[in-house]
Amino acid sequence: GQQLNQSPQSMFIQEGEDVSMNCTSSSIFNTWLWYKQDPGEGPVLLIALYKAGELTSNGRLTAQFGITRKDSFLNISASIPSDVGIYFCAGPDNFNKFYFGSGTKLNVKP
Amino acid sequence: DSGVTQTPKHLITATGQRVTLRCSPRSGDLSVYWYQQSLDQGLQFLIQYYNGEERAKGNILERFSAQQFPDLHSELNLSSLELGDSALYFCASSVRPGAGELFFGEGSRLTVL
Repeated sequence: GQQLNQSPQSMFIQEGEDVSMNCTSSSIFNTWLWYKQDPGEGPVLLIALYKAGELTSNGRLTAQFGITRKDSFLNISASIPSDVGIYFCAGPDNFNKFYFGSGTKLNVKP
Repeated sequence: DSGVTQTPKHLITATGQRVTLRCSPRSGDLSVYWYQQSLDQGLQFLIQYYNGEERAKGNILERFSAQQFPDLHSELNLSSLELGDSALYFCASSVRPGAGELFFGEGSRLTVL
């Protein structure tokens, strides 16, 4: 099956810094999804990307669908303490399943 | 609020017992997915239904089963519970299998003592 490799696994940054994380897959995806999960809660969809090369923003978050359709990245600008959490990338295959990266754990120091 | 509703939010039970977790998908979504997340782990795909029929299976134990009813709500049954089954169980829904966006419920936290 397809595998999503997400990096980095964790990040420790200072409030106000920009953050970048990425996800690569072994196969082509037609959709990339980025989620944030707070401890003990369900993942919340942040951004959905549907087209190769697409760049989409949601407030301080920007995500891009890679040209090869095998990668995507998420940037967070001017991080704040409430950005703390785990960020997951995800994408569906051509049949039924959604695949998830292993997550990037973000820690923000005030 | 994602529109996906899961009950119960918390459940504490003993080894060997059986529990049922319930999920109502977002209005209009026909596909339901179940995921298990153990402490500090990623999301493990268990099973997926579309319009009442099983469409995909992941690493679901034989002690676990699920179904989707005509009104599209789904139930995940966990039996002969073991300590290692303690986890967060998430339901998610999408319009169609593997299509578009996937929305998650808030999860059911199962603790097996």
